[in-house]
Amino acid sequence: RKEVEQDPGPFNVPEGATVAFNCTYSNSASQSFFWYRQDCRKEPKLLMSVYSSGNEDGRFTAQLNRASQYISLLIRDSKLSDSATYLCVVNEAGTYKYIFGTGTRLKVLA
Amino acid sequence: SAVISQKPSRDICQRGTSLTIQCQVDSQVTMMFWYRQQPGQSLTLIATANQGSEATYESGFVIDKFPISRPNLTFSTLTVSNMSPEDSSIYLCSVAGQANTEAFFGQGTRLTVV
Repeated sequence: RKEVEQDPGPFNVPEGATVAFNCTYSNSASQSFFWYRQDCRKEPKLLMSVYSSGNEDGRFTAQLNRASQYISLLIRDSKLSDSATYLCVVNEAGTYKYIFGTGTRLKVLA
Repeated sequence: SAVISQKPSRDICQRGTSLTIQCQVDSQVTMMFWYRQQPGQSLTLIATANQGSEATYESGFVIDKFPISRPNLTFSTLTVSNMSPEDSSIYLCSVAGQANTEAFFGQGTRLTVV
């Protein structure tokens, strides 16, 4: 089983749609969780950290379920500019080790 | 956040040669990381670089192939040695200020070995 698993997609959605991505992780001792966005031929950039209580940033909502060991990202009112690959990243407790999922490709269609 | 400058941004190299990639950070950081991202794949950690000590390599990566330098708290280099076409990839430098905080990335080096 991979340490961090994501549905690779692609998810093709129309503008204005709501789309959700899930990510599961295998290490129950994982401490910190992040969603990164990676545009084609660019480096990953932090989209948002994921907190135990869940957090929201504009159209983006991230949630963590420790019991089931998954995190989610919800994007509301999708924009064309949201088209990218979304990487789930898990950080082992007390370490600098980051484990990356394979990414979920999103394409928002006009 | 940290500003990371990585160079070269891309290169095309002959097999059997070596390429050194540089990573400069605008602030002092404890840990620097080197990742590889092959086409259509996610990021794979090559090694972790601490200032003043040897880098720690992940399984499948060895120092002879990917020597790393970390002469101070703002700079690191990764060398891809004796390159073959299988080394064609994007190489990314990353930093994290503290454990359990987010990581930041350089712009990446797109390497093509012919």
